[in-house]
Amino acid sequence: NAGVTQTPKFQVLKTGQSMTLQCAQDMNHNSMYWYRQDPGMGLRLIYYSASEGTTDKGEVPNGYNVSRLNKREFSLRLESAAPSQTSVYFCASSEGRGGWNTEAFFGQGTRLTVV
Amino acid sequence: AQSVSQHNHHVILSEAASLELGCNYSYGGTVNLFWYVQYPGQHLQLLLKYFSGDPLVKGIKGFEAEFIKSKFSFNLRKPSVQWSDTAEYFCAVTWTAGNKLTFGGGTRVLVKP
Repeated sequence: NAGVTQTPKFQVLKTGQSMTLQCAQDMNHNSMYWYRQDPGMGLRLIYYSASEGTTDKGEVPNGYNVSRLNKREFSLRLESAAPSQTSVYFCASSEGRGGWNTEAFFGQGTRLTVV
Repeated sequence: AQSVSQHNHHVILSEAASLELGCNYSYGGTVNLFWYVQYPGQHLQLLLKYFSGDPLVKGIKGFEAEFIKSKFSFNLRKPSVQWSDTAEYFCAVTWTAGNKLTFGGGTRVLVKP
């Protein structure tokens, strides 16, 4: 059982480049999330999708866009990468709509460096 | 905005010592509460969760947490830590009014052998 799969695991970008982080879950979960993890700041929510067809901004959405392609997949796009976006990115999913009464399952993370 | 606070950023213990990590959250109605753990180089895994019922929750690896509604707290405890408990611990909350899981800043725990 793969759970939540993120690609790539590592990426180095130059300032101004664009890229898409991919996430897929095979648990038939309704809700999916993108977080970034920075030292001392915990995990901060970038965007989330409470159900297929909906997306909403989290705490730190600026500089990012998302697409809930279908129930399985939720991608995160950096249109013009900036050094401030250097971080570890985690995708997560949960069965309940919006994570209520259900736990979240996390991917292995993508370590992104913007130079 | 709803928030989650973890007051200890770093904790250093010796093996067999007891561990207690604090977590407080802002008021916002009924909550679901979680503790996640991240071992070095790994992704987050669920330690325990509270949805309703007995406020003393037991999780994996000997961890437990107590929900104290009047204090808006959900503190994590372990009576006797092991070196393998070295990790970062995150408290997380979902409120009924919201659709998302909000994390605290995390506590790095180092257990010395």
